[in-house]
Amino acid sequence: DAKTTQPPSMDCAEGRAANLPCNHSTISGNEYVYWYRQIHSQGPQYIIHGLKNNETNEMASLIITEDRKSSTLILPHATLRDTAVYYCIVSPLKTSYDKVIFGPGTSLSVIP
Amino acid sequence: GAVVSQHPSWVICKSGTSVKIECRSLDFQATTMFWYRQFPKQSLMLMATSNEGSKATYEQGVEKDKFLINHASLTLSTLTVTSAHPEDSSFYICSGGRYGGTEAFFGQGTRLTVV
Repeated sequence: DAKTTQPPSMDCAEGRAANLPCNHSTISGNEYVYWYRQIHSQGPQYIIHGLKNNETNEMASLIITEDRKSSTLILPHATLRDTAVYYCIVSPLKTSYDKVIFGPGTSLSVIP
Repeated sequence: GAVVSQHPSWVICKSGTSVKIECRSLDFQATTMFWYRQFPKQSLMLMATSNEGSKATYEQGVEKDKFLINHASLTLSTLTVTSAHPEDSSFYICSGGRYGGTEAFFGQGTRLTVV
């Protein structure tokens, strides 16, 4: 799986959009960008994934650059409950039989 | 999304004893589940892959005789930490996914403290 680079930490004001960047310059054509998050003392939670088109669901939006070398996870209106570590993972499309390998992630603090 | 449940959520045990952690898939069948360990302020580290009806596959550096994994049914995988020591104190997390699905679902984790 391709390596990803994320800032170790970020702050965001409550109610504002949180934009979490991820660099994946060595991504291959068959690799997807996945985002998970882990709230303190809980198991990780799947957020979103995409290949090359921008994706949106009820939790977040994923913007992938045209060259696919970087992406941004957007939480449109951050709340205190969005404080968590966010993991950007690049890998071929996962099946239920594939393991998830986590990097250090970005610790997002949403500030009142 | 799918539901994965772990039990117990936390456990304190004495050094030298064994502890069993259960991981259940509540609304799907999981032929494969994964076990992770997480130390404070660190990321999740994959320990092993649990395969229903066969032996688990352990990651390099993980002692298979210390961390016993049993996956006897399609909805239950267990991790037993044998002869636990304080250095085994950690947050243990399991995961699984629906057949044909593309994302993983994680249990809420088990906080193990060995005293």
